[in-house]
Amino acid sequence: AQKVTQAQTEISVVEKEDVTLDCVYETRDTTYYLFWYKQPPSGELVFLIRRNSFDEQNEISGRYSWNFQKSTSSFNFTITASQVVDSAVYFCALSEHTGNQFYFGTGTSLTVIP
Amino acid sequence: GAVVSQHPSWVICKSGTSVKIECRSLDFQATTMFWYRQFPKQSLMLMATSNEGSKATYEQGVEKDKFLINHASLTLSTLTVTSAHPEDSSFYICSAIRTENNSPLHFGNGTRLTVT
Repeated sequence: AQKVTQAQTEISVVEKEDVTLDCVYETRDTTYYLFWYKQPPSGELVFLIRRNSFDEQNEISGRYSWNFQKSTSSFNFTITASQVVDSAVYFCALSEHTGNQFYFGTGTSLTVIP
Repeated sequence: GAVVSQHPSWVICKSGTSVKIECRSLDFQATTMFWYRQFPKQSLMLMATSNEGSKATYEQGVEKDKFLINHASLTLSTLTVTSAHPEDSSFYICSAIRTENNSPLHFGNGTRLTVT
């Protein structure tokens, strides 16, 4: 079964619009970690955030914000006032307490149109 | 922040030759490193988990004799694609985790392999 689901395969927005990338996860562990990574066209993976399962506080970092809701097993990522440089593939990932293995979603390709 | 260096960034080789890709953690010790493969417009597929001083653990369907992994030190893991074929052409990414569990996974910049 897919542990991390990113239902949105591709999203296009016009510059300055807000956009939310969805992530739904599945785990039986009570302790786990959730991540978001950005993969620009150059290919490297850029770490954006880690959230542990006991911390449901939403987080804001500049134009980025994350909404973690255990009740719906979701960890959504919002970009406010999107910019062309935000164009990339974004991956959500889950790491369970029982091991070091990371489970990646299939990614959401975001295109910001100038 | 933690840096993972992967080399080379891209390589073109002929069918039948072997290619070695290096993954180094530059400012921390990584007892565990991971090797991923990514096909165009797809997610990362875990190939194997590399543990320093022991044999790598391969995921189901990954040929261990074809993808040789060596993790000889706490800062270096290598992936050798042996007798490469065009179907091995892909983007290979390594990652490293600090010794404490579940620290952010740091990725190398990836290696784009093209086998002609």
